[in-house]
Amino acid sequence: AQRVTQPEKLLSVFKGAPVELKCNYSYSGSPELFWYVQYSRQRLQLLLRHISRESIKGFTADLNKGETSFHLKKPFAQEEDSAMYYCALKGGYSTLTFGKGTMLLVSP
Amino acid sequence: DGGITQSPKYLFRKEGQNVTLSCEQNLNHDAMYWYRQDPGQGLRLIYYSQIVNDFQKGDIAEGYSVSREKKESFPLTVTSAQKNPTAFYLCASSSPGLAGGWNEQFFGPGTRLTVL
Repeated sequence: AQRVTQPEKLLSVFKGAPVELKCNYSYSGSPELFWYVQYSRQRLQLLLRHISRESIKGFTADLNKGETSFHLKKPFAQEEDSAMYYCALKGGYSTLTFGKGTMLLVSP
Repeated sequence: DGGITQSPKYLFRKEGQNVTLSCEQNLNHDAMYWYRQDPGQGLRLIYYSQIVNDFQKGDIAEGYSVSREKKESFPLTVTSAQKNPTAFYLCASSSPGLAGGWNEQFFGPGTRLTVL
């Protein structure tokens, strides 16, 4: 069975501090991983996917197959980064398995 | 915004009543999905459909039903058999990728259902 674990329900940092949102997965095949973000009063949207190896809004995430992790990182957090972040794993067919989410709060 | 619409935004239901949530997309996407979002639970898949007139159960399908009579529409019915229906419901859609597999899922704004 596939599973996504986000160990932190809440991560609170000050503006300018580095941020790392943790995501670990369990999957027997070749994983395809995503980070989705939900800002206040906005719909859930894709932030980035591992196959693109891109940086969006200063965030990056590297797939580490040895550690089965896909942590989301940003060197300097901004207040507008405050949101709910979900790690997701694409399994069979077109479905996604989501983690329980981490709320990021960035204080001034 | 646009692309995927869900209605209504808020819905109240009495216990024992069935209720249908609407999801429409104009993205010409083949696949559509229904998720339930609860605090501390993340998103859990209820049903999904990859083609018209076909759909599959997700992880928590009990007490729910769907239909896919048209490509652009995927309504979800929450039946009286659903023991804890109060939640935020999200609809999503996606299209097949060029290299196989499926592209990213696009989400609707959600419907908040409250059972009184």
